[in-house]
Parts: sequence; C-alpha cells; structure tokens
Amino acid sequence: ENQVEHSPHFLGPQQGDVASMSCTYSVSRFNNLQWYRQNTGMGPKHLLSMYSAGYEKQKGRLNATLLKNGSSLYITAVQPEDSATYFCAVYGGATNKLIFGTGTLLAVQP
Amino acid sequence: NAGVTQTPKFQVLKTGQSMTLQCAQDMNHNSMYWYRQDPGMGLRLIYYSASEGTTDKGEVPNGYNVSRLNKREFSLRLESAAPSQTSVYFCASNGRWTGNEQFFGPGTRLTVL
Repeated sequence: ENQVEHSPHFLGPQQGDVASMSCTYSVSRFNNLQWYRQNTGMGPKHLLSMYSAGYEKQKGRLNATLLKNGSSLYITAVQPEDSATYFCAVYGGATNKLIFGTGTLLAVQP
Repeated sequence: NAGVTQTPKFQVLKTGQSMTLQCAQDMNHNSMYWYRQDPGMGLRLIYYSASEGTTDKGEVPNGYNVSRLNKREFSLRLESAAPSQTSVYFCASNGRWTGNEQFFGPGTRLTVL
C-alpha cells in the first residue's frame, strides 16, 4: 500500500529556533517528492519539489533533503508566521498521483 | 489571475440531500483534481481529470460523481449526502509545465447532518 508518514506530528519551537521535521514513504513507483504548507482555513501551497536521493534544495529559510525513502525539512530562525501544517507528498504509485502524508503541525512560540 | 476558485465556501446539508461543488481555474491547466481532507488525515484523492473530456476515480470515489465541463471547470456532485461525507473539499490543478506541482483552491467546508 502506498503511504507517507510524518515525524513528529507536532512541533512547538521558540521563535528563532530551527524547526526540524521529516517524512518517510513507501510507494510502488517514485517520481518526485514535494513539500506543501497549509495555513489554517486555506488550501495547501507548494513549497518545493525534489527528484532523486541526495537532492538538496534551499528556498529562503527552508532547507530540504531527499533521502532514499524519505525527506527532511528544516526551517531556520522560525517566526510566528511560519506556523502552519507542513505536508510531504510523493508523486508516484500505480496511478502516478500525489500521495499525501498527515502532516506536521508547526506552532512557533513567540 | 484568480488561480483556483471554489464555491461555496461553506455548506450544511441534511442526510440524503444532493449538491454540487464548483471549481474553476484560470491558469490553462490540463489536469484537475478533487480531494477531501478529514481531521488528522492527509488529503485523499476522490476523482481527477487528466484533460478535458476525461475523468478517473481516485482513492475514495464512492458516493461522488464529477463532470469536467470544459478546460476551466471541474465539478463534484454528491447525489445523496451522508454524514461520512462531512469534510473539507479541495480542488486542485496542474499543467504540463508545472513539474507536477499542484495549485489548490481555498476549500469548501461541508457538514452533513
């Protein structure tokens, strides 16, 4: 069965800290891995995509790495406006569609 | 560009009632998707349309029907709503040049009593 799992489910860092989260996946066919951010009451918004193990991507204060069967996402110097749910989604599986995990809820303490 | 728009934003139905959720995108994307999101769960694909004139089932299609009216619009219909269909529904789209990145609408919050 295709699945994506997150760790941890909740993060509550202090403002200015580094937030670290990860996901692992098990899919029948892998195309790419994407990270999305979802603010409360809104739709998810794409952050970045990665395509092969060892791939690293930096976007502002976001740093992501694609591992063999997962990914890590770091947000440096977190701010209250970074508070959101972060989802990892794998594009693949038998039907070549996005498979989402349940997400990590980030709540930055001011 | 408005991106992906959805109507209505909120809806309350009684068991057995029917309704249609509307979605439109103005980015000239070929593919469109309907997802549902339940508390503590990720987004689950209900139906998708790879291009105008085609639709296919996703992970959780039971109780739903879809129509790809034209390239811009993709509607989701609940023929006989059930409490298990209480959820937040998101429409998304992507194009051949977006690298599989999907663009999501703001969602429709549906409660079935």
